[in-house]
Amino acid sequence: AQSVTQLDSHVSVSEGTPVLLRCNYSSSYSPSLFWYVQHPNKGLQLLLKYTSAATLVKGINGFEAEFKKSETSFHLTKPSAHMSDAAEYFCVVRRDDKIIFGKGTRLHILP
Amino acid sequence: DAGVIQSPRHEVTEMGQEVTLRCKPISGHDYLFWYRQTMMRGLELLIYFNNNVPIDDSGMPEDRFSAKMPNASFSTLKIQPSEPRDSAVYFCASSSKWDRGKWADTQYFGPGTRLTVL
Repeated sequence: AQSVTQLDSHVSVSEGTPVLLRCNYSSSYSPSLFWYVQHPNKGLQLLLKYTSAATLVKGINGFEAEFKKSETSFHLTKPSAHMSDAAEYFCVVRRDDKIIFGKGTRLHILP
Repeated sequence: DAGVIQSPRHEVTEMGQEVTLRCKPISGHDYLFWYRQTMMRGLELLIYFNNNVPIDDSGMPEDRFSAKMPNASFSTLKIQPSEPRDSAVYFCASSSKWDRGKWADTQYFGPGTRLTVL
């Protein structure tokens, strides 16, 4: 069975400081992993994805994520937060016909 | 491409009425997904299609919900009869497994339909 756990429902960081959004997955086999972002009153947009190529994946807007099989994690990071990063972020697991979204992490940026 | 198109953007209806949500996927995409998003339950996958065929409808909450994809460029999600607890934002997304020979699998989301059932 597959599942995905986003460990924090809310994260607050100050502008200019690093961002860490945590995601753990469980899957019997190597899955495809994604991070999507949803800005207020908008649809979801892909940030980055891992599909068994390089374990460090770079995405849009300066975000990146590292696939760590030993820890079954796919945490999302950014070196320096910007006010425009305030949004909800979803970690997604896909394996064959199953797609599972995490509950989401709302990122707040403090001025 | 105009992206995934959903209509209507907002729908307000009364309990017991039939509601039909529409989606036009990105041309050439062979997967189409319907999601529901609420504050309480977050984002839920309701059903998805591959080449117009429903693959997984295990997320459809009950028989009042039905989805169809009569052709590659159109899908509907119908709720009959609607209830206040169906109030949510409904998203449609499409994707293609392959894009120019490379593994793609990125879902492109529409803007959503905000449904309010009174």
